[in-house]
Amino acid sequence: QVQLVQSGAEVKRPGASVKVSCKISGYTFSAYEVNWVRQAPGQGLEWMGWMIPKTGNTGSPQKFQGRVTMTRNSSISTAYMELSSLRSEDTAVYYCARGVRDHYHYYMDVWGKGTTVTVSS
Amino acid sequence: EIVLTQSPGTLSLSPGERATLSCRASQSVSSSLLAWYQQKPGQPPRLLMYGASNRATGIPDRFSGSVSGTDFTLIISRLEPEDFAVYYCQQYGNSLLFGQGTRLENK
Repeated sequence: QVQLVQSGAEVKRPGASVKVSCKISGYTFSAYEVNWVRQAPGQGLEWMGWMIPKTGNTGSPQKFQGRVTMTRNSSISTAYMELSSLRSEDTAVYYCARGVRDHYHYYMDVWGKGTTVTVSS
Repeated sequence: EIVLTQSPGTLSLSPGERATLSCRASQSVSSSLLAWYQQKPGQPPRLLMYGASNRATGIPDRFSGSVSGTDFTLIISRLEPEDFAVYYCQQYGNSLLFGQGTRLENK
């Protein structure tokens, strides 16, 4: 079945970077976009960006531009999200999610279980 | 920039009752690009609806969605115990955006 398996929890110091992986199985890696969404403790969902695995093209909201890097290794069907210059406000659960785009719709239908990133000195 | 405003913030109802959740967009958005998600504590979000009114695979028919102008509505016709959760709307346009969520709690 379709699965997105994320890497384990991370604890980082302020100013450091974190790289979260998302291994895809159960479908052709290049066929769907990969989105990254985060959720701070007790807060709502925040979209961080997407990547088109086929081309490597990415997009993210202005808030994260310059700080987030999304990449992939197609040979192992894995997407990565790296967030740099970490601060305490980046403490959150980070999710990858499959993005489905058809002629009319866009939605995220399968999600990873999340990776907890804690930023603390 | 589009803003999605969900209301109410918290909805307290009992099993068997009808739940009506609202998501209002600050400007016109395509209904085909509006989705709803359910999230339970400690779990990732789960896709409920896409295109405003299409149920995702495996979603029971007590869930329905509608749109009127910039107002999107998620209705749960008869609440089951497993429906108590947080619900988010999400739209895709120039960017991708979530509403702030509605917490549906068991009265």
